[in-house]
Amino acid sequence: DGGITQSPKYLFRKEGQNVTLSCEQNLNHDAMYWYRQDPGQGLRLIYYSQIVNDFQKGDIAEGYSVSREKKESFPLTVTSAQKNPTAFYLCASRDLADLSYEQYFGPGTRLTVT
Amino acid sequence: KQEVTQIPAALSVPEGENLVLNCSFTDSAIYNLQWFRQDPGKGLTSLLLIQSSQREQTSGRLNASLDKSSGRSTLYIAASQPGDSATYLCAVKTSYDKVIFGPGTSLSVIP
Repeated sequence: DGGITQSPKYLFRKEGQNVTLSCEQNLNHDAMYWYRQDPGQGLRLIYYSQIVNDFQKGDIAEGYSVSREKKESFPLTVTSAQKNPTAFYLCASRDLADLSYEQYFGPGTRLTVT
Repeated sequence: KQEVTQIPAALSVPEGENLVLNCSFTDSAIYNLQWFRQDPGKGLTSLLLIQSSQREQTSGRLNASLDKSSGRSTLYIAASQPGDSATYLCAVKTSYDKVIFGPGTSLSVIP
């Protein structure tokens, strides 16, 4: 059963703590992406990676960090430097050989920081 | 800079009605446009993807059109059902690996 998994579904943290969100895919996709979704807004790109050990900043990378040590995994760390971390976080992946450029999304993680 | 808007922000219709959701984008230089469905608290499910060279795509009761020159796409839902209630997002691919999302239209289909 192929797909993208994100864990946990809900995450609660105190202000000032770093937190890591998990994203795993077994689709053998090269590229992986992290988006942030706020109410009434479109998804905004945080980071993306097209190959292991390489990643690029998106539009709102400040206060976030990522790693890509394995093709299947692309964890996102929300650091204490992120001013408004409470949001819904979505991970996606894409096969770079697929010329339709279609992205496939995980179920999301809702992060609440108080 | 590419901007994507969706009007209306929310829509409520009685069951069985045909409806149209709108998506507008400011830069016609796109690779493709994709419509997604999002249920509350869930991820995005791809509904239809239209390549820049195509005019429309159909899947079941859904039909999406694309007019690049006017910067518009519509998602037509025929014979709406309560199960169609969700948020519908459109997204345009503007470069090799850049996708811009609209804010979505929240649809409620009333039984």
